[in-house]
Amino acid sequence: GAVVSQHPSWVICKSGTSVKIECRSLDFQATTMFWYRQFPKQSLMLMATSNEGSKATYEQGVEKDKFLINHASLTLSTLTVTSAHPEDSSFYICSARVRSNYGYTFGSGTRLTVV
Amino acid sequence: GDSVTQMEGPVTLSEEAFLTINCTYTATGYPSLFWYVQYPGEGLQLLLKATKADDKGSNKGFEATYRKETTSFHLEKGSVQVSDSAVYFCALSEGQAGTALIFGKGTTLSVSS
Repeated sequence: GAVVSQHPSWVICKSGTSVKIECRSLDFQATTMFWYRQFPKQSLMLMATSNEGSKATYEQGVEKDKFLINHASLTLSTLTVTSAHPEDSSFYICSARVRSNYGYTFGSGTRLTVV
Repeated sequence: GDSVTQMEGPVTLSEEAFLTINCTYTATGYPSLFWYVQYPGEGLQLLLKATKADDKGSNKGFEATYRKETTSFHLEKGSVQVSDSAVYFCALSEGQAGTALIFGKGTTLSVSS
């Protein structure tokens, strides 16, 4: 139980285009979704916290106009990287809090490469 | 603010060797503590967790004990396998609803046969 499905698993896009990453909670309701970014051989850095039906809360230094987060339902949260540039290339991972056991479940991640 | 510090890697071991990955934390309250594992190109999988002092989390031969007096949550395994090669992350959560996990920098483990 408590599965988060993240798509796509990898994407290559041209500089200047936008990319949408989806995370769906398959068997539970994700009131809160967390979005992380991971650079090679580094830890996960929290980008933003999104709550269903409200605006996301972004961490300091994260451009909210560049990384658009939508959490319109209890089972779907999306991250859109707008006007992507090569420096946005990274591994993006979503995570949801699972109330039943106070744990966290993670999506499988999206490898974004901007060329 | 809260933080997690784990030992620098990479850790290179032979199969069946004993593993310890140190993790210490700083927190204002009484956090829950976690170890996650990440295999190449994949997301994170929960390995084990502990929610209060003196709790021992265990899974797949890995163990970690929540030590409040030393603010530590060291990961151990008595006999590692090649399949244990991965990146291990120590993390904490203060437990309030809507609070994200705070991660350590990760430790890469490489096990050779």
